[in-house]
Amino acid sequence: DSGVTQTPKHLITATGQRVTLRCSPRSGDLSVYWYQQSLDQGLQFLIHYYNGEERAKGNILERFSAQQFPDLHSELNLSSLELGDSALYFCASSVVGESGETQYFGPGTRLLVL
Amino acid sequence: EDQVTQSPEALRLQEGESSSLNCSYTVSGLRGLFWYRQDPGKGPEFLFTLYSAGEEKEKERLKATLTKKESFLHITAPKPEDSATYLCAVQASGDMRFGAGTRLTVKP
Repeated sequence: DSGVTQTPKHLITATGQRVTLRCSPRSGDLSVYWYQQSLDQGLQFLIHYYNGEERAKGNILERFSAQQFPDLHSELNLSSLELGDSALYFCASSVVGESGETQYFGPGTRLLVL
Repeated sequence: EDQVTQSPEALRLQEGESSSLNCSYTVSGLRGLFWYRQDPGKGPEFLFTLYSAGEEKEKERLKATLTKKESFLHITAPKPEDSATYLCAVQASGDMRFGAGTRLTVKP
């Protein structure tokens, strides 16, 4: 158990719909990363937040948005869903220590768009 | 464009047969190189972060090394429980770019 929690574990929805994925980082971790993993694209970086502020954007579609709240949990909003958005969505929190940055991944949310 | 290439795609070893996995990269301004292992249906598990050429880190049967163009993950005397997909990722300017992974199978 990494200490990072994600809800829901599974989500089935229809094309055109909107969903929200939630991530709670490990206690004390200020950084949250969001990733998408699909069979054809592999693991793709979406966005990084640090203490409520957006730090970096990767391959995140305009239909997707995210935010990190004052209590440090984060939400990833996916709208106008398409079949191709079906994937595993992971968040990770990170801490920087003596040996560098360590990222702890959550168990993921499996999204199926029908 | 930044690229991360892992080889081989798949590797089958006998228990105790040591080997190495490769991660080659082309990025501008490498900030860090990460190694993870991932079991099917689960989130990646952090292994190492390397920052500069010549750096090495070890953990149990695993040792990661870094040069200016590639990183190696050496597995010494692997056991069946080491079977997993091993992913590397490079971080540059905040962006994280992953390789496609090496699927390792260790037979008893």
